[in-house]
Amino acid sequence: KQEVTQIPAALSVPEGENLVLNCSFTDSAIYNLQWFRQDPGKGLTSLLLIQSSQREQTSGRLNASLDKSSGRSTLYIAASQPGDSATYLCAVPFHQTGANNLFFGTGTRLTVIP
Amino acid sequence: NAGVTQTPKFQVLKTGQSMTLQCAQDMNHEYMSWYRQDPGMGLRLIHYSVGAGITDQGEVPNGYNVSRSTTEDFPLRLLSAAPSQTSVYFCASSYSLSYNTEAFFGQGTRLTVV
Repeated sequence: KQEVTQIPAALSVPEGENLVLNCSFTDSAIYNLQWFRQDPGKGLTSLLLIQSSQREQTSGRLNASLDKSSGRSTLYIAASQPGDSATYLCAVPFHQTGANNLFFGTGTRLTVIP
Repeated sequence: NAGVTQTPKFQVLKTGQSMTLQCAQDMNHEYMSWYRQDPGMGLRLIHYSVGAGITDQGEVPNGYNVSRSTTEDFPLRLLSAAPSQTSVYFCASSYSLSYNTEAFFGQGTRLTVV
């Protein structure tokens, strides 16, 4: 069974700092990996989707990398802002049932201090 | 464009009661699914559907029923609520039959069973 781990569980940084969130998975036979943002009491918003053939994907101040062979992905946030405070989740598909069903990590709760 | 809409946002049930959590999407997505989110455990898949009339079980299906009579709607039924079903429930949708499809989530339903 696929296991997805996110470390650290919580992270607090001063505004303006660059930071890296980590995601690891045990089964490297993945179609893609998605990073989501979840604000308190809200749903999940997709940030980036990296296809298995890609090494990186960028959106604004966010950059996600994928290393399938080592079972790792990182989400890099440049010049962090208080508005970036949220929980960040990574997810990979259930290989057996196709690309739409997702295994989620437990998330990293990020706090950016003004 | 409403995206994925879940109702109600909050619900309190007594043990043994039944209820239906509603989910609707207006993006013409074939694939819809239900997850539950519990502290320290991440999101886990309950049931999913790849199209009208087709449903299947996810990781934690016991105590829940689903049906998919239209493309737009995917209700989740709790047959006899138990305290262990206290959780936050999320509905998601995406284009099916694609290995690189972004998932869209509703705002969640916070359910408490007493």
